[in-house]
This record gives sequence, structure tokens and C-alpha cells, in this order.
Amino acid sequence: SQQGEEDPQALSIQEGENATMNCSYKTSINNLQWYRQNSGRGLVHLILIRSNEREKHSGRLRVTLDTSKKSSSLLITASRAADTASYFCAPMTTDSWGKLQFGAGTQVVVTP
Amino acid sequence: EAGVAQSPRYKIIEKRQSVAFWCNPISGHATLYWYQQILGQGPKLLIQFQNNGVVDDSQLPKDRFSAERLKGVDSTLKIQPAKLEDSAVYLCASSLDVAQGTDTQYFGPGTRLTVL
Repeated sequence: SQQGEEDPQALSIQEGENATMNCSYKTSINNLQWYRQNSGRGLVHLILIRSNEREKHSGRLRVTLDTSKKSSSLLITASRAADTASYFCAPMTTDSWGKLQFGAGTQVVVTP
Repeated sequence: EAGVAQSPRYKIIEKRQSVAFWCNPISGHATLYWYQQILGQGPKLLIQFQNNGVVDDSQLPKDRFSAERLKGVDSTLKIQPAKLEDSAVYLCASSLDVAQGTDTQYFGPGTRLTVL
């Protein structure tokens, strides 16, 4: 498995704005996952995108994957105060047997 | 369905003491993970079980940490003796069966350990 690196480290936006964060990784992957962690609900799986997919949507979340650049992005549209959390990406290869190597995450603060 | 349960939620001990954490995964989940998350960092995998067998414990400090998953259900993680740098949140997670390619992990609320 390999560690994803999230960028930026911190992001501060107002409610209603969009938030974009990026993830870079080093070698070939089978899939890439995004997780969110806040004090209320702990660490929660948001979305999984497979290596043969380029874009995926889930509610207000949009994830893209560019395997040629070894990067992914997570877009949160129309952000809410409840989106305040740390967001982690976790690239995964087929031989990693489920191991997730989290980076330090992007800390997002959404102010009303 | 019930989520991953962990206990205790908080624990304060002095260095050199022992401590144990308990995890009950989601019913039917074959794969169980223990992570350590130090403040300001992402979770770090300590050990991964597939049913009651260890798949990966390469990042487990085996001189002081031990874990078991008897009967392939509940799991305990023990630290003996604890050091100051063990202060962290210990997260347990489970997934249906990583061998089948179902990779989504479900996390418990964690146990916050403070070592004084």
C-alpha cells in the first residue's frame, strides 16, 4: 500500500462555497478512497473510485481520478457547516489487502 | 445495522502501566483492523486480521503491543508497558471481506489514551 498526500493542509471557506482538495500518490493503484473525520461521527468512508473510472459523484461530492498524473481531487459543492472535518485520501493497490495508508489530511473549516 | 463498537472511550494511565482496548466489529465482517492516530496525523495501521488470522502486523511495536482476535469476532489490543508516546486515539475498523475485494472500512468511535 502507499500513502496519499493531501493538499492543501488546511482550507477555510464560507457556507455555500465549494471546497476542493487534492491527493497525490506514487505508484499504480487499484482504487482510491476518500474518508472524512469529525468529532461528531468519527472516521467515515465517503467514496471509492476505481482505477478505470475518471469521475464519480455522491450527493454534493465529486471525485476525479487521473491515473496518468497519479492524482485525485475531491470537490464538495455548496458546503455546509457540517462539512467541517478532516478529509483523507487512501490509495490502495491490489496487493495491499485492504491496508489504508492515510496522509495527514486536509482540514476544512466551513464558517456560517 | 449496528456499527463497530469500542470500549473504553477514554483511558488515562501512567507510563509503564498496562492497558487493553476492546473492539466488536460489524456482524459478519471478516476483516478487522487496529489503527493508531496521533494528534494532528492520519491513522496508522497497526494490525490487520482476516477472520482470526493475522494478515499484517508489520507496524505493530511487538515489544509492547499485542493483539488477538479469538473466534474471528471480537478483538483486543493491549499495551504493556505503556510509554508517553503511546498517547493517541486507537481506532478499530472492519470490512466485509477484503479477500473478496470489498474494501470499504467502517470505523468505530475510537479509544482516546492518555499516558502520563
